[in-house]
Amino acid sequence: DAGVTQSPTHLIKTRGQQVTLRCSPKSGHDTVSWYQQALGQGPQFIFQYYEEEERQRGNFPDRFSGHQFPNYSSELNVNALLLGDSALYLCASSLRGLNTEAFFGQGTRLTVV
Amino acid sequence: AQTVTQSQPEMSVQEAETVTLSCTYDTSESDYYLFWYKQPPSRQMILVIRQEAYKQQNATENRFSVNFQKAAKSFSLKISDSQLGDAAMYFCAYRTILIYNQGGKLIFGQGTELSVKP
Repeated sequence: DAGVTQSPTHLIKTRGQQVTLRCSPKSGHDTVSWYQQALGQGPQFIFQYYEEEERQRGNFPDRFSGHQFPNYSSELNVNALLLGDSALYLCASSLRGLNTEAFFGQGTRLTVV
Repeated sequence: AQTVTQSQPEMSVQEAETVTLSCTYDTSESDYYLFWYKQPPSRQMILVIRQEAYKQQNATENRFSVNFQKAAKSFSLKISDSQLGDAAMYFCAYRTILIYNQGGKLIFGQGTELSVKP
């Protein structure tokens, strides 16, 4: 079992550009959550997807959007990048409706210059 | 809204000694989950221990145990016989109980950086 995989591991973008991050959940999981972790801070919930729809959303602007595919993998898109979007983006997968733990990927380090 | 607070940005412990990391939270819910996650330099969040609020018995996982004080809304992590590999960022997190096929979100504290001295 490969666990949760995220790609890419690192990337550098310029202000104003758009970026897409990808996540494959752990085998058997149907729910994907995305978190933003600024340097030295705890992760902040961005949104969560299951059944290919956004189900919950944290306090993030509309520039942050996502998608879930039929195979449960997910993408996080950020438009009009700002310097403040520089962070570690973590994906977590789980099985909805069951009080089991969420598994995290190793994250994507995004640097906006 | 629920909040989680970790008031110790950094902690240090001697190898083989015991250390306690503090966490407080605020919620109006009566049942919920609390977690401690470890984040080493590899960045991947690893679950250390979990506690369901309705269970009065404190959770234990090998060298890791918690002191859960529901009335005080306190959830501390004790690491016994500390090892060099325990050095990492530790996060306390809260999650509601999942019902009706919901997918829950985690609410994290700010983290405590633990260093282990040989």
